[in-house]
Amino acid sequence: EDQVTQSPEALRLQEGESSSLNCSYTVSGLRGLFWYRQDPGKGPEFLFTLYSAGEEKEKERLKATLTKKESFLHITAPKPEDSATYLCAGYSSASKIIFGSGTRLSIRP
Amino acid sequence: EPEVTQTPSHQVTQMGQEVILRCVPISNHLYFYWYRQILGQKVEFLVSFYNNEISEKSEIFDDQFSVERPDGSNFTLKIRSTKLEDSAMYFCASSGQGVSPLHFGNGTRLTVT
Repeated sequence: EDQVTQSPEALRLQEGESSSLNCSYTVSGLRGLFWYRQDPGKGPEFLFTLYSAGEEKEKERLKATLTKKESFLHITAPKPEDSATYLCAGYSSASKIIFGSGTRLSIRP
Repeated sequence: EPEVTQTPSHQVTQMGQEVILRCVPISNHLYFYWYRQILGQKVEFLVSFYNNEISEKSEIFDDQFSVERPDGSNFTLKIRSTKLEDSAMYFCASSGQGVSPLHFGNGTRLTVT
C-alpha cells in the first residue's frame, strides 16, 4: 500500500536554528514528490515538486531534496514567519496523490 | 497568479440538512479534487474528478456525497444529509496535465450543529 510518513510530528526551533523535516515514502513508481506549506485555517500552499532522486529545489530559506526512499525539507536560519505545517505528498504511477500527516513547525523569536 | 476560490468561507448547518460547497478551479486545469481536514488532523482525500466524471473516491465519499461540474467554471460538493462528524474544513483543489501539483483553495469551514 502506498504510504507517506512525515517526521517529526512537531518541531520547535529557535529563530536562526537550522533543521530538517523528513518525508519517507513507499509509493509505487513515484513520479513526483510535492512539498506544501499550510498556515492555520488556510489551504495548503504549493512549494516544490521533485521528480527524481538527487534533485534539489530551493526557495528563500527552504531547500527540498529527494532520494529513492525519502525527501528532506531543510530550513536554514528560520524566522518566526516560517512557522506553519509542512506537508509532503507523493504522486504514484497510478496518478494517485498520497499526503503525509505533516510536520508542525514552530519558530520562537 | 491564478487561484482556486471557494465559497462560502464558513457554513453553519443543522444535522440532516443538505449543503453545497462551491469551488472555482483554475481555468485551464483539467483535474479537480475535494479534500477535507478535521481540526488538528491530516488532509484526507475525498474524490477526484476528470472529464466530467469521478475518477477516484475514498471510503469517506459515501452515498451522502456527490460532486458536479454544472458549467465550465464551477465544481461543487454536495452533502445530502449532514452529520455532526461532517464538521471539517473542506478544500477544493485543481491540477493540470501530467505530474502536476494540486493547487488548493482556502477552504470552507463546515460546522454541523
